[in-house]
Amino acid sequence: DSGVTQTPKHLITATGQRVTLRCSPRSGDLSVYWYQQSLDQGLQFLIQYYNGEERAKGNILERFSAQQFPDLHSELNLSSLELGDSALYFCASSVGRSSYNEQFFGPGTRLTVL
Amino acid sequence: GENVEQHPSTLSVQEGDSAVIKCTYSDSASNYFPWYKQELGKGPQLIIDIRSNVGEKKDQRIAVTLNKTAKHFSLHITETQPEDSAVYFCAAHTNDMRFGAGTRLTVKP
Repeated sequence: DSGVTQTPKHLITATGQRVTLRCSPRSGDLSVYWYQQSLDQGLQFLIQYYNGEERAKGNILERFSAQQFPDLHSELNLSSLELGDSALYFCASSVGRSSYNEQFFGPGTRLTVL
Repeated sequence: GENVEQHPSTLSVQEGDSAVIKCTYSDSASNYFPWYKQELGKGPQLIIDIRSNVGEKKDQRIAVTLNKTAKHFSLHITETQPEDSAVYFCAAHTNDMRFGAGTRLTVKP
């Protein structure tokens, strides 16, 4: 158990809908990262937050947004969902600002868009 | 941007044999190279990492080598055990983390 929790575990929704994925980092970790894992694109970095502020951005679509709250939990919002958004979404956390710090991954949320 | 290629995509070995997974990267500015193990139904877990100022690092049965000139790095697992069966990902870091496509390792008892 990495100490990172993600909810929900599974999510099934329809095209055009909006969903919110939630992540709680390990106790003491200030950075949260979001990743997407799909069969065709592999594991891709989406975005990083550090202590409530956006720190780095990867291949995140404009339809997707994230935030980190004062209690350090984070939410990833996916809107206008398309079939191709079906994937595993992982959250990871680390203690410091730099993504060179060891990242601890949560168990993931499996999103299915029908 | 950075492009990471990983080979082989699948690898099957007998228990006790060694396993080697290789990755190449394109951005010479990459300076941090972690390896992750992902078991079924779980998130990736860091198993070993190496920074660009080091050529080799070892942790018990796992070792990683880095050749910055050739822009490739490798994961070596010795004395493989059935519990080593998983998908392994390499990654290279410049401004963000770029992952290889993964290697599914099967260790047959």
